[in-house]
Parts: sequence; C-alpha cells; structure tokens
Amino acid sequence: ETGVTQTPRHLVMGMTNKKSLKCEQHLGHNAMYWYKQSAKKPLELMFVYNFKEQTENNSVPSRFSPECPNSSHLFLHLHTLQPEDSALYLCASSQGGTGGDSPLHFGNGTRLTVT
Amino acid sequence: QQPVQSPQAVILREGEDAVINCSSSKALYSVHWYRQKHGEAPVFLMILLKGGEQKGHEKISASFNEKKQQSSLYLTASQLSYSGTYFCGTETSGNQFYFGTGTSLTVIP
Repeated sequence: ETGVTQTPRHLVMGMTNKKSLKCEQHLGHNAMYWYKQSAKKPLELMFVYNFKEQTENNSVPSRFSPECPNSSHLFLHLHTLQPEDSALYLCASSQGGTGGDSPLHFGNGTRLTVT
Repeated sequence: QQPVQSPQAVILREGEDAVINCSSSKALYSVHWYRQKHGEAPVFLMILLKGGEQKGHEKISASFNEKKQQSSLYLTASQLSYSGTYFCGTETSGNQFYFGTGTSLTVIP
C-alpha cells in the first residue's frame, strides 16, 4: 500500500461540473505537491504546500484551486475545466522543501477526462 | 529550464546494460531519478547531491557530473522488472525543480 493515497482513481466530468481530487499522505511529511502529467510532456508542477502554506503556484489557471487543511491532506478543486485539462493528476509528498535532498513520494494519480 | 533526457526510448534484452542521460542548461544542485510503470505512481530510485553524496533505495548506480551539468543512470544486467519510464528531476538555483521528458525502457526476454 502506497504511503500517498489519491481518490478517485478515475474521474469523468463535463466542462460545467465542479469536482474535487483528494490526496492523503501517511508518511509524516511536511510538503505536499500537485503535478499534472500529460502524454508526451514532462511532469508539470502545479502547486506546492510546505507546512500547510502554499509556497508555489506555477502559473496555474484559476479553474484549479488547491486546499491544504493540514500537512496530511491536500485537495484540488476543479471547476469549468477545458478538454485540454484531461490528464493524470499526481499528488506527492516529501520531508520538506521543493526538491533538494528529499525524495518525492507519489500517489497513483487521478485520471481526469473532461468532456 | 527542464532537463533533456536521452535516449527517448530504448529496447533491451534481459541481461543487457543501458545508460540514460539527463542534461541541464543550468548549474545543478541535485538530481533525482524516478521510474514509472504503466498505470502506476512514479517511484523514487536515487538522489545525487552536489558534492558527491548519493541516496538511493535500490541497486542502481548513477553519476553526477557537476561540471557538465548532467547525470547518467546505469542499469546493468537488466531484468524484465526494469521496464518503465525513467524520469530525472533536477534542482537548480532558487530551489527550481523540473522533471525531464522521460525515457521509455522496455526489457524483452
């Protein structure tokens, strides 16, 4: 069982829907991340939270809204998405910081399809 | 700013060796390596730090050439379980961290 759990595993939503992705880590880490993985593209960092504080927002459109209520939980709220937002959304956690000497532990991702 | 990986794809027979390269246009502070199997989460393999320190969980070797701003991952005596997509992630100044485009590795019997 992975130390980082994401739900749901698959999500299909229309462009006018509102949905949320959930991530929970059981590793005692202080930093949590949202990444977007599209075909033929590198993993794109979306948001970083360190000790519940958002430390990075990588020019992500406002239709994606993160929430980190505590250091173990991370949400990604979605509304009025576009078809090009269809991708695998990966959550990750680490001891702290934005890389450096702390490995990232990834969840299995949510496969999002926007119709 | 993202690192460039080469090759993009490689097919090996069991027992053969492979090298995956990761190059950056900026000075590197650390390099991470991950492997992702189809439908699964990326899994941490190794971190290489400026100054030569390495941290890893598996018997996979890698090098970090600070001068050349690149890292190489060495897979020796490949096994079927080595198949997957390998990503490097590089940390540059200002805590900027970017993943490469990935190298697809397929090991066949």
